Amino acid sequence: RKEVEQDPGPFNVPEGATVAFNCTYSNSASQSFFWYRQDCRKEPKLLMSVYSSGNEDGRFTAQLNRASQYISLLIRDSKLSDSATYLCVVNLLNQGGKLIFGQGTELSVKP
Amino acid sequence: ETGVTQTPRHLVMGMTNKKSLKCEQHLGHNAMYWYKQSAKKPLELMFVYNFKEQTENNSVPSRFSPECPNSSHLFLHLHTLQPEDSALYLCASSHEGLAGGPADTQYFGPGTRLTVL
Repeated sequence: RKEVEQDPGPFNVPEGATVAFNCTYSNSASQSFFWYRQDCRKEPKLLMSVYSSGNEDGRFTAQLNRASQYISLLIRDSKLSDSATYLCVVNLLNQGGKLIFGQGTELSVKP
Repeated sequence: ETGVTQTPRHLVMGMTNKKSLKCEQHLGHNAMYWYKQSAKKPLELMFVYNFKEQTENNSVPSRFSPECPNSSHLFLHLHTLQPEDSALYLCASSHEGLAGGPADTQYFGPGTRLTVL
């Protein structure tokens, strides 16, 4: 079983749509959770950290369910510029900076 | 953004060549990382350096040899590579991830796209 698993997509949505990405992780010792964004042929960049209580940053909302080992990212009112691959990332307890990446979910927002 | 720079951006090499990838960070971080990203596969962590000391070697073949002369510079020396080593090699840096503590944000360089013929 993959350590971090995501829907590969692609998700093709019209501008203004709401889109949700799901991610599951296999190791219950995972302690930190992130969503990174990677544009085509560019490097990954942190989009947001994910906190146990859930957190929101503008149009982006992240949720964490530790019992189900599940993370989600919701994008509301999607823009053309949201088109990218979204990477679910976890960090294990006592592993310092070691991050484990999912394979990413590709999003394409169309006019 | 010039927080983390990598050179060269593109590299084509034969299987018998020796080359080096360079990474430099200007963010005052003390942890640096090498990742490999192959098509349709997740980023794979290769090496981790904390305060110039290697703390992780993720079962990487010896044809990849990292070097960290100081906390701002990281190299990846390549020799006798195979075609399946063709990939995007990404460098990242962060403040040190303390054991038992949460990981800090990692900042990535633009990567070196490597093709092995």
